[in-house]
Amino acid sequence: EAGVAQSPRYKIIEKRQSVAFWCNPISGHATLYWYQQILGQGPKLLIQFQNNGVVDDSQLPKDRFSAERLKGVDSTLKIQPAKLEDSAVYLCASEGSERGATYNEQFFGPGTRLTVL
Amino acid sequence: AQSVTQLGSHVSVSEGALVLLRCNYSSSVPPYLFWYVQYPNQGLQLLLKYTSAATLVKGINGFEAEFKKSETSFHLTKPSAHMSDAAEYFCAVSERGGGADGLTFGKGTHLIIQP
Repeated sequence: EAGVAQSPRYKIIEKRQSVAFWCNPISGHATLYWYQQILGQGPKLLIQFQNNGVVDDSQLPKDRFSAERLKGVDSTLKIQPAKLEDSAVYLCASEGSERGATYNEQFFGPGTRLTVL
Repeated sequence: AQSVTQLGSHVSVSEGALVLLRCNYSSSVPPYLFWYVQYPNQGLQLLLKYTSAATLVKGINGFEAEFKKSETSFHLTKPSAHMSDAAEYFCAVSERGGGADGLTFGKGTHLIIQP
């Protein structure tokens, strides 16, 4: 079974530029998450999708960050314009929805490392 | 709101020695608790999880953790450290069982194994 795919793996941009990250979840997984992991910290949830609808985006800085999941499969996360403090690893995770399961595991992709200069 | 505190940003043990990584949580409802491991330039891998069944949970690679409600703790242990255990370890909590619910992570503990 293929895992969660993310691209690009690395990105370097200058502040005020725009950047987009892409995530392809595990086939059939209805739930998709984006996390931000700043160096030296644990991942922080940015947004959660259930199919193509947003479940939770309370921690997404909406003045500069946006995300979409068209057709309920792939997702893109965009930052426009980027700030120095956006330098981080952006992790995508997907989760199945097995009926009757006590817990459905989140599977994480390798992440995209963003450096803002 | 839920939160996780991991005591010790760095823990160093000798190869073959006991590994103990500490995690305390705060949650307004019975939590689900998790330990993840992260190797350099890789994503997070689930080590083990507590989902309100047995309080002593066994995971992969010889790790286990015990849920102690009275202490609001979920410490991770391994009887004998191996060089391959060197990595970053994250404790996480979920208040809605992980079913379509984002995780709240601690800041992580970097485990160093001395030869």
